[in-house]
Amino acid sequence: AQSVTQLGSHVSVSEGALVLLRCNYSSSVPPYLFWYVQYPNQGLQLLLKYTTGATLVKGINGFEAEFKKSETSFHLTKPSAHMSDAAEYFCAVSEGPGGYNKLIFGAGTRLAVHP
Amino acid sequence: DGGITQSPKYLFRKEGQNVTLSCEQNLNHDAMYWYRQDPGQGLRLIYYSQIVNDFQKGDIAEGYSVSREKKESFPLTVTSAQKNPTAFYLCASSPRVNTEAFFGQGTRLTVV
Repeated sequence: AQSVTQLGSHVSVSEGALVLLRCNYSSSVPPYLFWYVQYPNQGLQLLLKYTTGATLVKGINGFEAEFKKSETSFHLTKPSAHMSDAAEYFCAVSEGPGGYNKLIFGAGTRLAVHP
Repeated sequence: DGGITQSPKYLFRKEGQNVTLSCEQNLNHDAMYWYRQDPGQGLRLIYYSQIVNDFQKGDIAEGYSVSREKKESFPLTVTSAQKNPTAFYLCASSPRVNTEAFFGQGTRLTVV
């Protein structure tokens, strides 16, 4: 069965500092991987996704993530945090090509950005 | 504009009453989903539907029911059998089941 583990339910960084949000997954087939962002009392917005091809994926708002098969990881990074990045972030996995399965979400990481 | 509309945004009900949450999409997506979100627990799948007139239980389907009579609509009924219904409910859709999902703005249900 597929699963997602997000290390750290809360992460705090200073404005301008590196953002690193960790995601590890388990999947018996090649996965599709996603990062979503959620602002308070709103739905989820897709930041980026990995399906096939280049393992370094760039998304919106300056975020990027790297798929590392050997480490079963898909960590989200941003070189310089902005106050507007404060939100909750969710990593998700689904089966890849040929698969037909629903998205499985991690528990989320709440990012706080301090001036 | 294309998107997913959930209504209402806030909903209050008395304990023991059934309540139906609306979800409509105009993205022409085949798959639709209902998730429940509780603090610290991420998103848990209630039901999903791959095509019209077909749906499957997710991880926490007990106390909920759905229908998919039209491609664009996937209403969720929270029944009186759901023991702890107060939560934030999110509807989503996707072109196929294992592609990225697009989310509505959510409905916050409070049962008193």
